[in-house]
Amino acid sequence: DVVLTQSPATLSVTPGERISLSCRASESVDTYLHWYQQKPNESPRLLIKYASQSISGIPSRFSGSGSGTDFTLSINGVELEDLSIYYCQQGNSLPYTFGAGTKLELK
Amino acid sequence: EVQLVESGGGLVQPGRSLKLSCAASGFTFSNYYMAWVRQAPTKGLEWVASITNSGGSTYYRDSVKGRFTISRDNAKSTLYLQMDSLRSEDTATYYCTRDYYSSYIYWGQGVMVTVSS
Repeated sequence: DVVLTQSPATLSVTPGERISLSCRASESVDTYLHWYQQKPNESPRLLIKYASQSISGIPSRFSGSGSGTDFTLSINGVELEDLSIYYCQQGNSLPYTFGAGTKLELK
Repeated sequence: EVQLVESGGGLVQPGRSLKLSCAASGFTFSNYYMAWVRQAPTKGLEWVASITNSGGSTYYRDSVKGRFTISRDNAKSTLYLQMDSLRSEDTATYYCTRDYYSSYIYWGQGVMVTVSS
């Protein structure tokens, strides 16, 4: 199975700053890497698909990059509503797997 | 508007069975692969099973293979997950999702399954 390692596990942020979250795959997943946001007691929401493709309705401050084994989700100007858990997911090979998540908290 | 509404969850004893349903609306159900993803309490997300748009092929994670069966009724726009021989480690919120080339843009609200004696 492809293991996705997300770092950091927790990130303390200040509103307005630019941040980057990392997702590293144990083997190449090409660009079959997707990012989700999940707030408490809510279903996950797809933010970025195929490493860097934007999703309709998602604020433009969210962007993704990477290919192969190293991926990054960036938030340009964190807002309070962004405080949640972020997961990466690979769809290159079965079983599809998710990372353990990065939790954004207020500094 | 795309809607996915799960039902059928609840408390069940170890070894027993439960069948989840997911009613889909707002899109042509028969055109899309579908999947179940679960989340144990306070844990991360875990892919469980997927099914092709025709229902002709199904895929499972190893830990549920032989115990869970994913199926669909395209005439009723409904996805199912038959869960047999349930274990405590199957306790989770189960989400129905629309699978678009391995990404999940639409999710249901989730249904809780608790396996306990």
